[in-house]
Amino acid sequence: DSGVTQTPKHLITATGQRVTLRCSPRSGDLSVYWYQQSLDQGLQFLIQYYNGEERAKGNILERFSAQQFPDLHSELNLSSLELGDSALYFCASSVGVQLDSYNEQFFGPGTRLTVL
Amino acid sequence: GENVEQHPSTLSVQEGDSAVIKCTYSDSASNYFPWYKQELGKRPQLIIDIRSNVGEKKDQRIAVTLNKTAKHFSLHITETQPEDSAVYFCAGSGQSNYQLIWGAGTKLIIKP
Repeated sequence: DSGVTQTPKHLITATGQRVTLRCSPRSGDLSVYWYQQSLDQGLQFLIQYYNGEERAKGNILERFSAQQFPDLHSELNLSSLELGDSALYFCASSVGVQLDSYNEQFFGPGTRLTVL
Repeated sequence: GENVEQHPSTLSVQEGDSAVIKCTYSDSASNYFPWYKQELGKRPQLIIDIRSNVGEKKDQRIAVTLNKTAKHFSLHITETQPEDSAVYFCAGSGQSNYQLIWGAGTKLIIKP
């Protein structure tokens, strides 16, 4: 158990719908990362937050948005869902971001999204 | 732009033999290179990492080597065991905003 929690574990929805995925980082971690992993594919970095502020953006679609709240939990919102959005969505957290220093990312168990 | 290439995409080795996975990076400013292991149906987990001020790092059967001049780094697994079967991802630190640039992954298959 990494200490990172994600809810829900599974989500089945229809095209055109909107869903919200939730992530609680490890206690004390300030950075949260979101990744998308399609079937048998690599990890696609979506977005990163540090202490409530957006820090980095990857290949995140305009239909997707995220935020990190004052209690440091994060939510990933996916709207106007398409079949191709079906994937495993991981959240990861790390201690923080310091100049010239990187820290281990601890991954949550993921949310399996199926769009029908 | 920043890029990390990982080879091979699939690697099959006999149990007990060694496995080597290689990654190359494009950003000469990259200074942190982690390796993550993802077992089937599970989350990725860090297995070893190396920073640019070090050329090699070992942890039991796992080692990582870094060649900054050639801009490549490799994961070495010796005496492979069935539990080493997994997908392995390399990554390199990005130039902007402290993000990691990920390789595409290598599926390692250990044959009994």
